[in-house]
Amino acid sequence: QKEVEQNSGPLSVPEGAIASLNCTYSDRGSQSFFWYRQYSGKSPELIMFIYSNGDKEDGRFTAQLNKASQYVSLLIRDSQPSDSATYLCAVTLSGNQFYFGTGTSLTVIP
Amino acid sequence: SAVISQKPSRDICQRGTSLTIQCQVDSQVTMMFWYRQQPGQSLTLIATANQGSEATYESGFVIDKFPISRPNLTFSTLTVSNMSPEDSSIYLCSARTSKETQYFGPGTRLLVL
Repeated sequence: QKEVEQNSGPLSVPEGAIASLNCTYSDRGSQSFFWYRQYSGKSPELIMFIYSNGDKEDGRFTAQLNKASQYVSLLIRDSQPSDSATYLCAVTLSGNQFYFGTGTSLTVIP
Repeated sequence: SAVISQKPSRDICQRGTSLTIQCQVDSQVTMMFWYRQQPGQSLTLIATANQGSEATYESGFVIDKFPISRPNLTFSTLTVSNMSPEDSSIYLCSARTSKETQYFGPGTRLLVL
């Protein structure tokens, strides 16, 4: 059973729209949740992290966490072509290991 | 945040040889990790590099094949030993800061012929 699951996509949205990326996790003991962006040929770049239920906003990005339903999502408002990348969800348990999803490929169409 | 550098950025190696990848962090970090990423795939954790003790390897990875050193809180090396074409991949170093966030180096692109 995979600890972290993401829809691999590809997800396509028009420029200016809201992109919604979802991630579910299996372990209710998961404590911290992260979103990384990875451009083709580059290493993952941390976008946001969230620890508590609810929403956390940072610029055009909003992370949403629902521990009861065991999902975390990332909303990208006013999507730009430069947002086209693979987005990786990661969670940590009480230990130190990060569990990564397989990533969702996002394409923003000009 | 932490700024991480890796050397080499890429290499082409012959089957049966070994390559050592270096990872340098610009500040002291609590934990360092080595990942592998095949093209189009997600990240696979190879091991946790422990400062002052032997690395902790994940299932499917062994010390003889991937020896790791971590002599201090800012530096680690990963060696890919007796390489075969199946070892061709991107190898990523990452570091976790005291705030529990994890950052990645730029990666080392390895091609084994």
